[in-house]
Amino acid sequence: QKEVEQNSGPLSVPEGAIASLNCTYSDRGSQSFFWYRQYSGKSPELIMSIYSNGDKEDGRFTAQLNKASQYVSLLIRDSQPSDSATYLCAVIVGSSNTGKLIFGQGTTLQVKP
Amino acid sequence: DAGVIQSPRHEVTEMGQEVTLRCKPISGHDYLFWYRQTMMRGLELLIYFNNNVPIDDSGMPEDRFSAKMPNASFSTLKIQPSEPRDSAVYFCASSRTPWVGGNSPLHFGNGTRLTVT
Repeated sequence: QKEVEQNSGPLSVPEGAIASLNCTYSDRGSQSFFWYRQYSGKSPELIMSIYSNGDKEDGRFTAQLNKASQYVSLLIRDSQPSDSATYLCAVIVGSSNTGKLIFGQGTTLQVKP
Repeated sequence: DAGVIQSPRHEVTEMGQEVTLRCKPISGHDYLFWYRQTMMRGLELLIYFNNNVPIDDSGMPEDRFSAKMPNASFSTLKIQPSEPRDSAVYFCASSRTPWVGGNSPLHFGNGTRLTVT
């Protein structure tokens, strides 16, 4: 079992719709979770971090965490063509003090005008 | 702040040759990571350092790979001898502690695209 798993997609949504991206992780001890966005040919950039169960909102982005189910998700409201990218879920494996950040395979999102 | 600087941007080499990738982290960052990205395997952690000390190298694929961080402002990833399956984009990233609760994201360099023929 991979440490961080995502559906590779592509996920295609029409402009203005809600895009829902999902991620599961295997290490129950993990406490820190991140979503990175990567445009084609570019390096990943952080868009959200979440540490506690529940929802965290930042503009059009909402991260959701359920540690009991070992599940992290990212919702993008009012999706725009500029949101088309690969979204990488990342988890610090084990204690947050280790700093070992593992990425999922990434989900490719396509927002169609 | 110049960001994480990697060199070269592109490297094309023949199988069997030695390849050295270089990274300068952001000043003041005490964590440095080397990742490799391919379509098949995604973004894989190869090794990371804290305060110039290697903490976890379990992701280094084989003895052909080695990484060093002689000081806080420089790290190298060396592949010797290189093989076609090493072709990938290699990213260096840096960050500072603490992770938990802090806005201390990983800052990535632009990557080195390695092609081994």
